[in-house]
Amino acid sequence: GAGVSQSPSNKVTEKGKDVELRCDPISGHTALYWYRQSLGQGLEFLIYFQGNSAPDKSGLPSDRFSAERTGGSVSTLTIQRTQQEDSAVYLCASSSEGGGRFGNTIYFGEGSWLTVV
Amino acid sequence: GNSVTQMEGPVTLSEEAFLTINCTYTATGYPSLFWYVQYPGEGLQLLLKATKADDKGSNKGFEATYRKETTSFHLEKGSVQVSDSAVYFCALSDGRSFGNEKLTFGTGTRLTIIP
Repeated sequence: GAGVSQSPSNKVTEKGKDVELRCDPISGHTALYWYRQSLGQGLEFLIYFQGNSAPDKSGLPSDRFSAERTGGSVSTLTIQRTQQEDSAVYLCASSSEGGGRFGNTIYFGEGSWLTVV
Repeated sequence: GNSVTQMEGPVTLSEEAFLTINCTYTATGYPSLFWYVQYPGEGLQLLLKATKADDKGSNKGFEATYRKETTSFHLEKGSVQVSDSAVYFCALSDGRSFGNEKLTFGTGTRLTIIP
């Protein structure tokens, strides 16, 4: 498709279960980002990929969170042993190489709404 | 580290009023500056951007000028419409080096325009 695609769009899971969120970036975009948007918390950076490597994973909140990217394209964000505080919208974004550093536009997907009950 | 401080909301204005949403930043080096908008039920989308000092970004009647001396990037529109009701986010990207490509966002300002 033309934009950043994320799945699932909505996920309800039980506390303690693992979840996987998928992101399909815009074709040809080498930079990929994951952000989290919680009510009252704004937009929180999680991890950045350039190609398949992650030079900046400083925003991952705990070791329950991990992400990978394969083939320089699709990325998966995995949350293990989910907790209620993980409930949020998880946003994926992509851009051409260098991302915001060169003023390139970073394009966002519609997000995956995660609710942990 | 880098940070963005933007005007607390919510902001409510009447249609055709003048809008200013303040944004100031802290960064070393020469960041690029962005305004993103999130309309109800939609994803984040770029509204405008500026990549160097004194640049003016503009789109859909909105403008913002990159002011290095005051470290500001205030968003303005001369006459708002009901369709401008959304949450607006100011953001920066550090221009220093590889690995610093991420956007740092402000907390967002919810704008409601009443007819």
